[in-house]
Amino acid sequence: DTGVSQNPRHKITKRGQNVTFRCDPISEHNRLYWYRQTLGQGPEFLTYFQNEAQLEKSRLLSDRFSAERPKGSFSTLEIQRTEQGDSAMYLCASSHPGTYNTGELFFGEGSRLTVL
Amino acid sequence: AQSVSQHNHHVILSEAASLELGCNYSYGGTVNLFWYVQYPGQHLQLLLKYFSGDPLVKGIKGFEAEFIKSKFSFNLRKPSVQWSDTAEYFCAVTSSGGYNKLIFGAGTRLAVHP
Repeated sequence: DTGVSQNPRHKITKRGQNVTFRCDPISEHNRLYWYRQTLGQGPEFLTYFQNEAQLEKSRLLSDRFSAERPKGSFSTLEIQRTEQGDSAMYLCASSHPGTYNTGELFFGEGSRLTVL
Repeated sequence: AQSVSQHNHHVILSEAASLELGCNYSYGGTVNLFWYVQYPGQHLQLLLKYFSGDPLVKGIKGFEAEFIKSKFSFNLRKPSVQWSDTAEYFCAVTSSGGYNKLIFGAGTRLAVHP
């Protein structure tokens, strides 16, 4: 499968613990995006990278959240001191230069976080 | 700020019925518009898109959408739905020049009964 890959698919954790999600974009996709989707809502933009540079962060991304893309390939999203309100599906998407001007994104299946 | 409103959260139809899902956006400038679909257990995928030109755009699986600029609308249609169209449908917008992020509506969950 050459689509966007996300791991783990499901994570259950206790409040206060740290969690990390990984996203492997489609090969040669320079841009990588993180979105969050809560129940009954559409995906909400969190941040995006072009290669290894993080170019935009949403106000939704509090200081407990950090995202990295150290080598411009895979990305990690870490949530420190998780809270119950962090329970959501975390979606990763990527795009290639041919679609930069179109906004078309290729999504992974998401990582579902449940904070107890 | 940009926003997207989808009028129906849940729609139930019988096979062969016609479908129209409403989508309105708020943004005064030039926009790109999308419909994404998420089938049960699968990832979000693009159904169709509008950038410019003919306001009636056709997508995969017989879906089409019409951009009406004066109404800030981009409604999704299909003349005859199938059971396999059961999915959640999301309308999204990105502004011209702001291609970096999509703003999504809350989604419409469609159930098609045989």
